[in-house]
Amino acid sequence: QQQVKQSPQSLIVQKGGISIINCAYENTAFDYFPWYQQFPGKGPALLIAIRPDVSEKKEGRFTISFNKSAKQFSLHIMDSQPGDSATYFCAASSGGGADGLTFGKGTHLIIQP
Amino acid sequence: NAGVTQTPKFQVLKTGQSMTLQCAQDMNHNSMYWYRQDPGMGLRLIYYSASEGTTDKGEVPNGYNVSRLNKREFSLRLESAAPSQTSVYFCASRGRWNTEAFFGQGTRLTVV
Repeated sequence: QQQVKQSPQSLIVQKGGISIINCAYENTAFDYFPWYQQFPGKGPALLIAIRPDVSEKKEGRFTISFNKSAKQFSLHIMDSQPGDSATYFCAASSGGGADGLTFGKGTHLIIQP
Repeated sequence: NAGVTQTPKFQVLKTGQSMTLQCAQDMNHNSMYWYRQDPGMGLRLIYYSASEGTTDKGEVPNGYNVSRLNKREFSLRLESAAPSQTSVYFCASRGRWNTEAFFGQGTRLTVV
């Protein structure tokens, strides 16, 4: 059972455009929703995270939008740059989080100059 | 501050060989995790340790064993490697509450 569904699998955006990646979850006990960024040959690194008591969180060019009733959340990258080209993973966890994060399958983002 | 350190970075095994992947963190985190990453599959949890002295199975534990040696170290063992275990393995750690998980640089394992 895939508890976090991520789309699209791959995305090509022109420099300066907006990149949007979507995730949907099934487990209503999830209460922490991070996005991780991964460059080739590196481990994933936290980009931005949100908890369900807010509907939006913005950090620089990166915004998470969260819809609790629809059980969906999305990552928006404004003014996308070639340096943003990477694989992005959404994830979720519940309770104390000791049993780890459940990840989506990832989105390979390419920003064309 | 090194964060999460994994060794080795690369390894090639023959089918049936055994090996142990090492992981250490210096952030005084209680929880540690082993994930595997395969193309198009995201990261899947193999085993985790919520605290020193405890370990639990994740989504894909078959063929693996783990040891939480102390608070800093969490090792993953393949007793009899199979080609299906060819993957990139990531160790991660996390503080007590529901917060950021920090990942190591990964171990790229090929089983031939």
